[in-house]
Amino acid sequence: EPEVTQTPSHQVTQMGQEVILRCVPISNHLYFYWYRQILGQKVEFLVSFYNNEISEKSEIFDDQFSVERPDGSNFTLKIRSTKLEDSAMYFCASSEWARGGRIYSNQPQHFGDGTRLSIL
Amino acid sequence: KQEVTQIPAALSVPEGENLVLNCSFTDSAIYNLQWFRQDPGKGLTSLLLIQSSQREQTSGRLNASLDKSSGRSTLYIAASQPGDSATYLCAAFKAAGNKLTFGGGTRVLVKP
Repeated sequence: EPEVTQTPSHQVTQMGQEVILRCVPISNHLYFYWYRQILGQKVEFLVSFYNNEISEKSEIFDDQFSVERPDGSNFTLKIRSTKLEDSAMYFCASSEWARGGRIYSNQPQHFGDGTRLSIL
Repeated sequence: KQEVTQIPAALSVPEGENLVLNCSFTDSAIYNLQWFRQDPGKGLTSLLLIQSSQREQTSGRLNASLDKSSGRSTLYIAASQPGDSATYLCAAFKAAGNKLTFGGGTRVLVKP
């Protein structure tokens, strides 16, 4: 069964450094997402991406964050200048486009295994 | 703003007993609701998705119900097994926003 893959599985970075988290969504999916989960807290939405642009972002997703789909397969999350509070598990997800011309997908979101980001 | 709550936060049952996991959401204008399983240190595995027009969805020993008007969903796991031990998360999807809002999860332990 196709799956979402994320690399690296664990990233350790000094505070203030830039970090790029990588994701390969399921190949026929058109909606892409990033979520994060701080240890012991709920999974939180960061950003959704469709048709090469951001369709929704949360208050967490400030100017320090950016997303990109540099080629036909990868989807990346960049944090420009990391802070201690960015330490979390970051999940990438993708979903299919519902047929029939609907804008919003009604198909399940499929998640990767996550990247554990540790900021020192 | 959508709030999703799962009670209880933790549950321990003997093997063979049926599990009942509750999820409530404050904004009933959802597009669908998705149940996930999360093993420690791992990603989220999608279990079931219920469309807003459906009342329930079944997959094997799993059955999820949805009552939009009361803002509730319930996940039933029949004849629990030790391998069912995990954290179960529910998440509501609202089209306006294109995002999932997650509950805090119910941590389940099934004792042999």
